[in-house]
Amino acid sequence: GAGVSQSPSNKVTEKGKDVELRCDPISGHTALYWYRQSLGQGLEFLIYFQGNSAPDKSGLPSDRFSAERTGGSVSTLTIQRTQQEDSAVYLCASSLVGGQPYNEQFFGPGTRLTVL
Amino acid sequence: GENVEQHPSTLSVQEGDSAVIKCTYSDSASNYFPWYKQELGKRPQLIIDIRSNVGEKKDQRIAVTLNKTAKHFSLHITETQPEDSAVYFCAASKGGSYIPTFGRGTSLIVHP
Repeated sequence: GAGVSQSPSNKVTEKGKDVELRCDPISGHTALYWYRQSLGQGLEFLIYFQGNSAPDKSGLPSDRFSAERTGGSVSTLTIQRTQQEDSAVYLCASSLVGGQPYNEQFFGPGTRLTVL
Repeated sequence: GENVEQHPSTLSVQEGDSAVIKCTYSDSASNYFPWYKQELGKRPQLIIDIRSNVGEKKDQRIAVTLNKTAKHFSLHITETQPEDSAVYFCAASKGGSYIPTFGRGTSLIVHP
């Protein structure tokens, strides 16, 4: 079946503009995660959804970042007033059941965001 | 919170050699330790994982060992091949917590 998909694959924007990144998880996966990966860096956790609710937003770096998930499926990550330091690859992952430690995370291909 | 340290950051080996990547964690309650492989320009993919009730797990040329007392776990790749070249991430999570903490990654380069 289809894996996790993300759009757009690449996004170039000007400093100060808002951007929306989209994630389509694997059908039936209730848990959804957003990560940020800067060049040569590890995976920085941003936010986790279980269904439509976000029990953990602790990783969002500032109030310019927000995310929502509707219908327990598609999620959008919004970055307002983008800054150059927001440039990174934004990865989305989903897993079958959240709240358990043994569920494999399936990652999307990522969105490469470049802020000029 | 959990803290995961991963070493080395870069590892260069000759084809056929073995490669070992080590990770330490801080939270003794962590009980699940997955390893992900990320090839250049591609998404991370799970390659092997280990739970805290076992000390070692093998899958063909890769193996993972866990020392709960010392709070460290390692990835071992034998008979390395050029296609093993990638960034490898370790992670740790604990029961009731659904968010793994990742290491910073190891860039493995296998020279033919």
